[in-house]
Amino acid sequence: GIQVEQSPPDLILQEGANSTLRCNFSDSVNNLQWFHQNPWGQLINLFYIPSGTKQNGRLSATTVATERYSLLYISSSQTTDSGVYFCAVDQAAGNKLTFGGGTRVLVKP
Amino acid sequence: DTAVSQTPKYLVTQMGNDKSIKCEQNLGHDTMYWYKQDSKKFLKIMFSYNNKELIINETVPNRFSPKSPDKAHLNLHINSLELGDSAVYFCASSTRFGYTFGSGTRLTVV
Repeated sequence: GIQVEQSPPDLILQEGANSTLRCNFSDSVNNLQWFHQNPWGQLINLFYIPSGTKQNGRLSATTVATERYSLLYISSSQTTDSGVYFCAVDQAAGNKLTFGGGTRVLVKP
Repeated sequence: DTAVSQTPKYLVTQMGNDKSIKCEQNLGHDTMYWYKQDSKKFLKIMFSYNNKELIINETVPNRFSPKSPDKAHLNLHINSLELGDSAVYFCASSTRFGYTFGSGTRLTVV
């Protein structure tokens, strides 16, 4: 099956810093989503981004489907950005999401 | 108002017991899922249903039995609980525009 790898596995940031998280996938995809799992365990959908670039506030994401990677940018990080960021892909609509291992982010005040 | 809701949020039970987790979505999605998140935070598909029909069963022990009475509900029943079943279980639903997850059920087997 498709493999999804995220890097780095852990990231410690000072509040206000910028960062880039990467997601590589091993085959063509139909869908790619970025999720944030907050410290309370909730999985929050950040972006549905099978291709192109999207922005939402301090977060933006870019997927280059032909090169099989996606990037999530966090700018001016805040302590509330702490948690685990997951990239997940599917290869057909309504099939199943395959998750990467996540990037654990800690933003220090 | 919650799009995908799961109950209960927390479940602590003894080995050997049988328990159920319920999931409901009000998004009108046709496809629903159960995912398991282990202690290392890895998320893996268990089952998916499309309009009440089982589509995916990912080598899950027979002790786990999903049931979908209608396309808005997907429940998970677990028989003879084992210590290794301790995890967070997430329900989700999807359209071709993406997936929405419930807030999870933390199951602890003691």
